Amino acid sequence: EVQLVQSGAEVKKPGESLKISCKGSGYSFTSYWIGWVRQMPGKGLEWMGIIYPGDSDTRYSPSFQGQVTISADKSISTAYLQWSSLKASDTAMYYCARLIAVAGVLVFDYWGQGTLVTVSS
Amino acid sequence: IQLTQSPSSLSASVGDRVTITCRASQGISSYLAWYQQKPGKAPKLLIYAASTLQSGVPSRFSGSGSGTDFTLTISSLQPEDFATYYCQQLNSYSLTFGPGTKVDIK
Repeated sequence: EVQLVQSGAEVKKPGESLKISCKGSGYSFTSYWIGWVRQMPGKGLEWMGIIYPGDSDTRYSPSFQGQVTISADKSISTAYLQWSSLKASDTAMYYCARLIAVAGVLVFDYWGQGTLVTVSS
Repeated sequence: IQLTQSPSSLSASVGDRVTITCRASQGISSYLAWYQQKPGKAPKLLIYAASTLQSGVPSRFSGSGSGTDFTLTISSLQPEDFATYYCQQLNSYSLTFGPGTKVDIK
């Protein structure tokens, strides 16, 4: 069974750093892209970026380029999303999801349960 | 590429036929997916390639369209279908979501 299990909720202060994780199981972790999606409170879904754990090829949404870093450790089947200096506006739920190619189309077929990040002084 | 959805919200009754529209700012062939999200839950893939039903999704859901105009139709709304629906375009590793359509109970 394909599963993506994310790390737990975080409460941080502005200016602090943070790294959240997404562990894949039940499939070949190195063979599929993993993406990160932000959902701010009461708002819609925003694609942040994707990584191919097999070779760490990473693509960012222009809106998030330079704001976050996406990485992966294929030895433990885990992808990461990190911030060097959090802002209150980073408060959101963050989802990881597996990206697959089906009939020539890219889709997010399996999703993690989400990690709630709260940034407040 | 920008996506717009209409309506932004709608109220409907169980058994109603519901149609949601997604429009792309430029042609995206059939590179469009639809997701359903319930409160407090992760999104769920419903349809990909504009009209292909994901495995396990009830047949009352259907999708159509190509180019710039797409629709998601629920033929007979069920209680478990009250949720927010998002379209997403999938083009060369640039993946944009629409703003969402909330379907609630009339």
